[in-house]
Amino acid sequence: AQTVTQSQPEMSVQEAETVTLSCTYDTSESDYYLFWYKQPPSRQMILVIRQEAYKQQNATENRFSVNFQKAAKSFSLKISDSQLGDAAMYFCADTPGAGGTSYGKLTFGQGTILTVHP
Amino acid sequence: GAGVSQSPSNKVTEKGKDVELRCDPISGHTALYWYRQRLGQGLEFLIYFQGNSAPDKSGLPSDRFSAERTGESVSTLTIQRTQQEDSAVYLCASGWGGANTGELFFGEGSRLTVL
Repeated sequence: AQTVTQSQPEMSVQEAETVTLSCTYDTSESDYYLFWYKQPPSRQMILVIRQEAYKQQNATENRFSVNFQKAAKSFSLKISDSQLGDAAMYFCADTPGAGGTSYGKLTFGQGTILTVHP
Repeated sequence: GAGVSQSPSNKVTEKGKDVELRCDPISGHTALYWYRQRLGQGLEFLIYFQGNSAPDKSGLPSDRFSAERTGESVSTLTIQRTQQEDSAVYLCASGWGGANTGELFFGEGSRLTVL
């Protein structure tokens, strides 16, 4: 079974500042992927960043980066130079890799609402 | 189409009625998923299709819920005898089902309100 925990129901940040969203997970799979998805008020989930568990290097996508601590099962998202358009609900998720018992099925955390203040 | 399309966008129904929610995945995506999202909550897995077979139905909350998929195309989620606790946004997602990304592409969801 997989569980994903986001301990911060809400976070806020000033425009242009940096914010870090926390996520921990628990999985029995040896191969898995981790994701951060963003859900703006339009409801559509949008992929922000993806990390393959077998890669030690932290993923980066422009202003978004992760701190992946495999031993601690931690996967935090850092947003640099925050913009008003970053305001949304952010979900951490994981899925087993090929051959896993629930291959392809994403397990989501409860989400963190991010507010960006001008 | 270019993205995952869901209909209806919003549905209001009376308790006890049946509803059908439709999902058109991205062309070529073999995997299709249904999730439920209650207000202010995370996403709750309902069912997964690979092609038109459903290897994982473990998330369907009761036998009032069923889903089918035609080939690698449209899927329909049916809720019979709706209850107020069924009120939620139902999200559909599709993906290649391959190990190269694991990424899912989501529709905008169908908001169901049961009065």
